[in-house]
Amino acid sequence: SAVISQKPSRDICQRGTSLTIQCQVDSQVTMMFWYRQQPGQSLTLIATANQGSEATYESGFVIDKFPISRPNLTFSTLTVSNMSPEDSSIYLCSVLFRDVGYEQYFGPGTRLTVT
Amino acid sequence: GENVEQHPSTLSVQEGDSAVIKCTYSDSASNYFPWYKQELGKRPQLIIDIRSNVGEKKDQRIAVTLNKTAKHFSLHITETQPEDSAVYFCAARGRYSTLTFGKGTMLLVSP
Repeated sequence: SAVISQKPSRDICQRGTSLTIQCQVDSQVTMMFWYRQQPGQSLTLIATANQGSEATYESGFVIDKFPISRPNLTFSTLTVSNMSPEDSSIYLCSVLFRDVGYEQYFGPGTRLTVT
Repeated sequence: GENVEQHPSTLSVQEGDSAVIKCTYSDSASNYFPWYKQELGKRPQLIIDIRSNVGEKKDQRIAVTLNKTAKHFSLHITETQPEDSAVYFCAARGRYSTLTFGKGTMLLVSP
């Protein structure tokens, strides 16, 4: 199976600043997604990262707050902008392999704390 | 959009017992139903999945069943072991190719 890595693994940031999270996969994937998981909660989809075009955002999430890039089939970034303590969460990238029966796998996550 | 309900929220069993977690979904177009196991501080791991053209699938001590008519699917773990303790999430993939997750079940297996 593919190796999915995220950087950074964790960070503590001050309110009002921005953090960019990177997701790298060691093979080309069909689709990439970004999820948020708040402590003790389920996984909430932020957006689908589309290669070569703008990301598709879910209800409640906007591009100005969570800009996403996907320059190629193995890499994506999520930026959390103008952070507030409410943005403290785990952010996970996820990839879907069409060649493997549309199975979806998760990266290790980035634990973000905003003070 | 899709809505996935998961029950129970917590489940405590003795080692060796069976555990069953149930999920219902709302979108009749959903056709893919994975289950993830998430240990504390770790990423969700895909443990088993089932597609809408199959009624049951087994992998060693784990099985999943799907009832398309009733729009529910279940995870069955037999001969539970302490290392099965984790949070389990069900999910459904609907017409928009994105997964919708249930709220999770915390399974505690006591030795």
